[in-house]
Amino acid sequence: RKEVEQDPGPFNVPEGATVAFNCTYSNSASQSFFWYRQDCRKEPKLLMSVYSSGNEDGRFTAQLNRASQYISLLIRDSKLSDSATYLCVVNRNDYKLSFGAGTTVTVRA
Amino acid sequence: GAGVSQSPSNKVTEKGKDVELRCDPISGHTALYWYRQRLGQGLEFLIYFQGNSAPDKSGLPSDRFSAERTGESVSTLTIQRTQQEDSAVYLCASSLGLRGAETQYFGPGTRLLVL
Repeated sequence: RKEVEQDPGPFNVPEGATVAFNCTYSNSASQSFFWYRQDCRKEPKLLMSVYSSGNEDGRFTAQLNRASQYISLLIRDSKLSDSATYLCVVNRNDYKLSFGAGTTVTVRA
Repeated sequence: GAGVSQSPSNKVTEKGKDVELRCDPISGHTALYWYRQRLGQGLEFLIYFQGNSAPDKSGLPSDRFSAERTGESVSTLTIQRTQQEDSAVYLCASSLGLRGAETQYFGPGTRLLVL
């Protein structure tokens, strides 16, 4: 079983819509969680960390459910520029990050 | 300031040849990481440096892969006797190296194609 699993999508949504997706992780000892964003043929960039109590950053909301071992990302009022692949990233409080294969979101005009 | 840089951007080589990929981390970052990303797949951890030491080489796929880092700065990933399955994007990242779970900053990657 992969350490981090994501629905690959694609999620095709119109501008202004809300889109949400999850990722699951297998290691219950995981301590830190992140969402990275990767544009086509570009490097991953940190979008946001995910905190136990859930957190928002503008139109983006991340949630963590430790009991069920999943993380979610919700994007409100989608913009064309939100089109990207979103990588779920899990860390066991050491240096090694485990990446999911990504969820592709396409926002259409 | 400058971000992580990698060279070359693209590399096409013939099966059996050796290749060297270079990474220049952000100045002052003591931790450096190499990842591999095959088409349509997630990032695969290869190796981690703290300073010039590599405490974790567990991700290197075979003994054809090696990496070194000098001066707590530049790192080189070498692939000997390349195979077609080595074709991928090789990404380097760096972080401050003060604690686990730090933000890692990625370079643009080297796209390697083995014919």
